[in-house]
Amino acid sequence: SQKIEQNSEALNIQEGKTATLTCNYTNYSPAYLQWYRQDPGRGPVFLLLIRENEKEKRKERLKVTFDTTLKQSLFHITASQPADSATYLCALGSGATNKLIFGTGTLLAVQP
Amino acid sequence: SAVISQKPSRDICQRGTSLTIQCQVDSQVTMMFWYRQQPGQSLTLIATANQGSEATYESGFVIDKFPISRPNLTFSTLTVSNMSPEDSSIYLCSVGADGELFFGEGSRLTVL
Repeated sequence: SQKIEQNSEALNIQEGKTATLTCNYTNYSPAYLQWYRQDPGRGPVFLLLIRENEKEKRKERLKVTFDTTLKQSLFHITASQPADSATYLCALGSGATNKLIFGTGTLLAVQP
Repeated sequence: SAVISQKPSRDICQRGTSLTIQCQVDSQVTMMFWYRQQPGQSLTLIATANQGSEATYESGFVIDKFPISRPNLTFSTLTVSNMSPEDSSIYLCSVGADGELFFGEGSRLTVL
């Protein structure tokens, strides 16, 4: 069955460092991969989308890589800030239906 | 983008009762999605709701337990029927646009 795994443990880093979150998947060939941010008590908020034919995508302090051979995506936040503390979810999709399969999420805590 | 409003935002329910969650979108959309997020877990797709047709349910979810209405292109309801404590969860409605999902703030249900 399809499986998506993210860092199971919370990630604690110091302010100013780069946070790197991992998303691995099996038994799936997604057309695209997305990253979302979720704050406690709130719905997820879309951050970035990367398609299967793209290796890397950047948006301000965010960078996403997508390796379809390794079946892995890495999500980087450079110059991290305490306000970046949240749970980050990766999600895989195929086709045009916007129907996504979500990973378990990684809790990021940026210490001042 | 899309702005999604959900009601209720939270509720405490008694075992055996049913509760209907409403989802209103500020624009017309073809498909609406209902997700469940159990405590400490990621999002699981319950069903896809198209206007004018029956909802399509994912494996493990059935219409008798989670009936869905979609009377027009901006509104949908999800009912959680005959609730048990295992149904305690956050229920989220979402819509897709340009490969991105927009989520409501969620409805947090606690079943006693």
